[in-house]
Amino acid sequence: DQQVKQNSPSLSVQEGRISILNCDYTNSMFDYFLWYKKYPAEGPTFLISISSIKDKNEDGRFTVFLNKSAKHLSLHIVPSQPGDSAVYFCAASVYNQGGKLIFGQGTELSVKP
Amino acid sequence: EPEVTQTPSHQVTQMGQEVILRCVPISNHLYFYWYRQILGQKVEFLVSFYNNEISEKSEIFDDQFSVERPDGSNFTLKIRSTKLEDSAMYFCASRVATGASYEQYFGPGTRLTVT
Repeated sequence: DQQVKQNSPSLSVQEGRISILNCDYTNSMFDYFLWYKKYPAEGPTFLISISSIKDKNEDGRFTVFLNKSAKHLSLHIVPSQPGDSAVYFCAASVYNQGGKLIFGQGTELSVKP
Repeated sequence: EPEVTQTPSHQVTQMGQEVILRCVPISNHLYFYWYRQILGQKVEFLVSFYNNEISEKSEIFDDQFSVERPDGSNFTLKIRSTKLEDSAMYFCASRVATGASYEQYFGPGTRLTVT
């Protein structure tokens, strides 16, 4: 089941620069997308989300972009900070399926000072 | 800030034994979920629970698994006869039921080790 894919297992960025994490999906029924951040031995922490009726949502340093025609979303972190170093998961949901989340494999972000 | 809590943080059990993983969701949330993450793999949905019944379950959630909300605060996942392949991190999550907000809030997880 590869409905949500994060093709980059890792990303390394210099502190202060932009981090761009990408996610692709195949199921056109998905109508809500979320990004989670996860540290080792902890649960996923909700970061930001976007409904399929929008193409951008911004919250502080985090912006999520949705391109429905390409079935692609991305998370931009500007400026990146060393504390942002974690694994980032993209997740998608279909409203009439009780809200279950389908996760991507995750991208490990490393922000170097 | 309210948060989802889970106990125990780590459970070691022998194959064939029953385990119960416990969760206390955020108090005003009405949807509850269990997910698991096998080491090195993605987070996988197990089951969703709403209005005191299962609303959806995955293929993983077979007859060996059950969920229960025994009182107004706890939400449990029971594995009747554990197998080696049940070793994983188990995450509980919850969300509010109203509006267009689908954000689920996760607990810290229980690491289950089956020997």
